[in-house]
Amino acid sequence: QLQLQESGPGLVKPSETLSLTCTVSGGSISSSSYYWGWIRQPPGKGLEWIGSIYYSGSTYYNPSLKSRVTISVDTSKNQFSLKLSSVTAADTAVYYCARQGKNWETRGLTWFDPWGQGTLVTVSS
Amino acid sequence: QSVLTQPPSVSAAPGQKVTISCSGSSSNIGNNYVSWYQQLPGTAPKLLIYDNNKRPSGIPDRFSGSKSGTSATLGITGLQTGDEADYYCGTWDSSLSALVFGTGTKVTVL
Repeated sequence: QLQLQESGPGLVKPSETLSLTCTVSGGSISSSSYYWGWIRQPPGKGLEWIGSIYYSGSTYYNPSLKSRVTISVDTSKNQFSLKLSSVTAADTAVYYCARQGKNWETRGLTWFDPWGQGTLVTVSS
Repeated sequence: QSVLTQPPSVSAAPGQKVTISCSGSSSNIGNNYVSWYQQLPGTAPKLLIYDNNKRPSGIPDRFSGSKSGTSATLGITGLQTGDEADYYCGTWDSSLSALVFGTGTKVTVL
């Protein structure tokens, strides 16, 4: 059974870089069929897609965050990571990682399943 | 501000049916697959419907999805107290080149 687990600091200072890692177990991140994504949810608010990566390193980023986001993959560790720079209080959220499907005909990304349990990251001095 | 609009809340008595709409445009719902997620309080979202109307293994057939034009609908029949949750739609937006989520709908079982 595929499982994903987020890890990283729960508190980040304003203007610094948020760094999280997602460890995949029960399956290979190098599967040719899937992307791997990051999603966040500010307290009491809705879901926001951050970006996604293929095992080869190909990425998609949310245009609204693209200038501050870097997603990378380490196939040897079965992990993928998120870096979000110049954070502010508005970046305080629960961050989730998830496996993601892709419509290879239209090139659009699709569903997320399964999801990690999520990790709360607070931006505060 | 989300490009996919959902009603903030819907409610019904146990055993009844509810439907949740997700309204978009030709750049997203109109030309891409829609997925639906259930988020129980304090937990991560869970995939309910993918590719407009397909259920992952283990999802009961009380949950159904459909799409018509630039709108999608999630239906829940035989409503149970355990269905009280937030529900989100999601799809690719070809113009934005972004995965977008709906505004979310809270389901209350009366």
